[in-house]
Formats: sequence, structure tokens, C-alpha cells
Amino acid sequence: NAGVMQNPRHLVRRRGQEARLRCSPMKGHSHVYWYRQLPEEGLKFMVYLQKENIIDESGMPKERFSAEFPKEGPSILRIQQVVRGDSAAYFCASSPGYGNTIYFGEGSWLTVV
Amino acid sequence: TQLLEQSPQFLSIQEGENLTVYCNSSSVFSSLQWYRQEPGEGPVLLVTVVTGGEVKKLKRLTFQFGDARKDSSLHITAAQPGDTGLYLCAGASFQGAQKLVFGQGTRLTINP
Repeated sequence: NAGVMQNPRHLVRRRGQEARLRCSPMKGHSHVYWYRQLPEEGLKFMVYLQKENIIDESGMPKERFSAEFPKEGPSILRIQQVVRGDSAAYFCASSPGYGNTIYFGEGSWLTVV
Repeated sequence: TQLLEQSPQFLSIQEGENLTVYCNSSSVFSSLQWYRQEPGEGPVLLVTVVTGGEVKKLKRLTFQFGDARKDSSLHITAAQPGDTGLYLCAGASFQGAQKLVFGQGTRLTINP
């Protein structure tokens, strides 16, 4: 886990608000992944990004969810108009390249009230 | 859709006993990882197995990848209370190595 930094660790949002989750990859890593863990379920892949590019977003819900990894700064997972079903732990992971082991951050816990 | 079935989902045993956790799929994976996750934290990688039939040992933990690369097992010898936690297996496909498919996890409790 060391090195992949996520913030905030805990976030509470009212229904209809926006949630922004940030992820700074490990030093030297240019590949970032987002996974979601719903209560009592395993982790589910959401999106895979490299700097300024979305490589695979097949796990992203079609609406309200977006992700970016700009040239400078952290990767951001954005959820618009949150609903109760969005309450989950969102994990970011990073790797130095394709095919390498990925390392997870400690997660951001989103609660929608 | 690739699926990984972990069993058992819950396991509570006494300190000193041995246990095995299974991870099964009908799909073939290029590699399989085992993670341990503590409450409120992210998954921590324990091991990656890549070759069919591969066996890796990490102190009292033994990991095996099935010959056909569809299943894996985690065996713990002489379990200790410190082994308590959630154990997750995750498979990587040949088409998308970074798009891990996770099992639902095995919640292990070792009672002193």
C-alpha cells in the first residue's frame, strides 16, 4: 500500500451532490486504476488510465461517473448527483507500466445520506 | 464474464489448526494474485502466481496455481490470531492484465 495516496479517506455527501476522490500514484508509476467495493462484495474494476488517457473504462457506470488523470496532478474520480447506491469504498491502484503488479491505496469511503 | 468463486466465505478456527481457502473459475487467467485486506484499509498483495502448477510459500502460507490456470488455493499451517483478516483472490486475463477480477473474499477468524 505504501505510496499510493488517496484522499479524502472518508467523505459524506447528501443525495444529489458531487463527490470527488483523488489519487496520487506511487512515485514513478504512470498507470492508475480505480476499483469499487460495495458492502459485503469483492472489488470491481472501474477504469484504467494513463497520463491524460483513458485506456479502459468498461467498468464505469454509463452516467454520472467520470475519471481523469491529467498531465500534472492526481487522478480524480468524479461522481455527479450521488445516490445512496454509490456508497462504497473506492480504491485506487497504480503500476509503473502495463503487465506490472498493481499496488492499492488505502481507499476512500463514500457515504451518501 | 469472468468470475472467481471463493470458498469458504467465512471461516472461524482455533489457533494452531490448518486451513485451506479455494478460488475457482471456469475461465483461464494469465496470473492470479492473493491479497489480504484489513478493515478500513486497501488490499495488500501477498503473492502473484503465474505458471500453471506453480507453488509459492510465504512463511506459513502456501499458494498454489492450478495446472489449467483456472483455480488457486491458499493453505495456512498452524494458524495464528494475527492471520485474522479478509483474503481476496484476483485473476488477470490475457486480454487485460490490469483489469483484475476479484473473488468475493474469505473472512478468516483465528480464535486464540
